Amino acid sequence: ETGVTQTPRHLVMGMTNKKSLKCEQHLGHNAMYWYKQSAKKPLELMFVYSLEERVENNSVPSRFSPECPNSSHLFLHLHTLQPEDSALYLCASSQEDRVTAPLHFGNGTRLTVT
Amino acid sequence: EDQVTQSPEALRLQEGESSSLNCSYTVSGLRGLFWYRQDPGKGPEFLFTLYSAGEEKEKERLKATLTKKESFLHITAPKPEDSATYLCAVQGVTQGGSEKLVFGKGTKLTVNP
Repeated sequence: ETGVTQTPRHLVMGMTNKKSLKCEQHLGHNAMYWYKQSAKKPLELMFVYSLEERVENNSVPSRFSPECPNSSHLFLHLHTLQPEDSALYLCASSQEDRVTAPLHFGNGTRLTVT
Repeated sequence: EDQVTQSPEALRLQEGESSSLNCSYTVSGLRGLFWYRQDPGKGPEFLFTLYSAGEEKEKERLKATLTKKESFLHITAPKPEDSATYLCAVQGVTQGGSEKLVFGKGTKLTVNP
């Protein structure tokens, strides 16, 4: 496989459930990102990992918990979510040592919280 | 506050009808401006990076240009397969000296046959 792969593509969960989103990149990049995309809003950066170390956390509620076990894999653990958390969650990767490296995105997980 | 504004919000064209999308920005210390294309149900796909005013890049029917305040994505003789949402993102340096990437809300382009 090539590029950035996200699973599952769709997820419906209740407010009391615990689930995880998975992302895998096959591009040899050393930085990975979680973004949230909601209707009529710009992409919102949630977390950045560079060389497996979290370098940015944009005031995201603690019900979202990221994990980066190695430079190819990224997880987003979800628990006790709210209906307003329903959105498209996008994973991306880039080559971090290039100052203006473009992001390569996966196709996202469409999350619905009921 | 750093801002990226895209216009129009939506654009409907007939096949072959050329037009332009606009991305204006107020980010200081520009490092680069990116254009992405996003199809329904998919993640954004990288198109171009522009680094400095006066720069232009082309890919098939798309041409991106950059000034000190804005960028244009010109679409020449579009085809229905060009229908997508086009996102602009600007990377700049904040007052605190850190890098920041700011996205616009996108322009949804529909090209009718």
